Amino acid sequence: DSGVTQTPKHLITATGQRVTLRCSPRSGDLSVYWYQQSLDQGLQFLIQYYNGEERAKGNILERFSAQQFPDLHSELNLSSLELGDSALYFCASSPGRTSGRETQYFGPGTRLLVL
Amino acid sequence: AQSVSQHNHHVILSEAASLELGCNYSYGGTVNLFWYVQYPGQHLQLLLKYFSGDPLVKGIKGFEAEFIKSKFSFNLRKPSVQWSDTAEYFCAVNGGDKLIFGTGTRLQVFP
Repeated sequence: DSGVTQTPKHLITATGQRVTLRCSPRSGDLSVYWYQQSLDQGLQFLIQYYNGEERAKGNILERFSAQQFPDLHSELNLSSLELGDSALYFCASSPGRTSGRETQYFGPGTRLLVL
Repeated sequence: AQSVSQHNHHVILSEAASLELGCNYSYGGTVNLFWYVQYPGQHLQLLLKYFSGDPLVKGIKGFEAEFIKSKFSFNLRKPSVQWSDTAEYFCAVNGGDKLIFGTGTRLQVFP
């Protein structure tokens, strides 16, 4: 158990819909990262937040957005869903103080299926 | 741009065989290197990491990796694999705020 929690574990929805994925980081960690894992694209970094502010952006679509709240939990919002958005979405956290030298601890993931 | 290549996509071994998984990276600056493992149905877990110092890094469960700067490589090794090592292994590089992952190597170990 990494200490990072994600809800829900599974999500089934239809094309065109909007969903919200939730992540709670490890106690004391200020940075939260979101990744998408799919069969064709592998593990792709989406976005990072540090203490409520966006810090780095990766291959995140405009239909996707994220935020980190004052209690440090984060939400990833996926809208106008397409079949190709079906994937495993991981959240990770780290202390956030030394950036690239930190180990990121991953949550169990949310498996999204768009029908 | 940073990139990571894992040349072995699928490796099949018998128990007690030795393992070496290749990882090459492309990055112009100081890199931090990681190997993560994903057991079936589970989340990513850190196996080992290299930031600086001794280029031979020892991780959990008997795994080790060697950083060879001249070859831009960070290969993962284990002298004797077990059935429980069946999993997907990901090499990753972090030169800033984000981890760039390789495509992963699926390891199957048969008893």
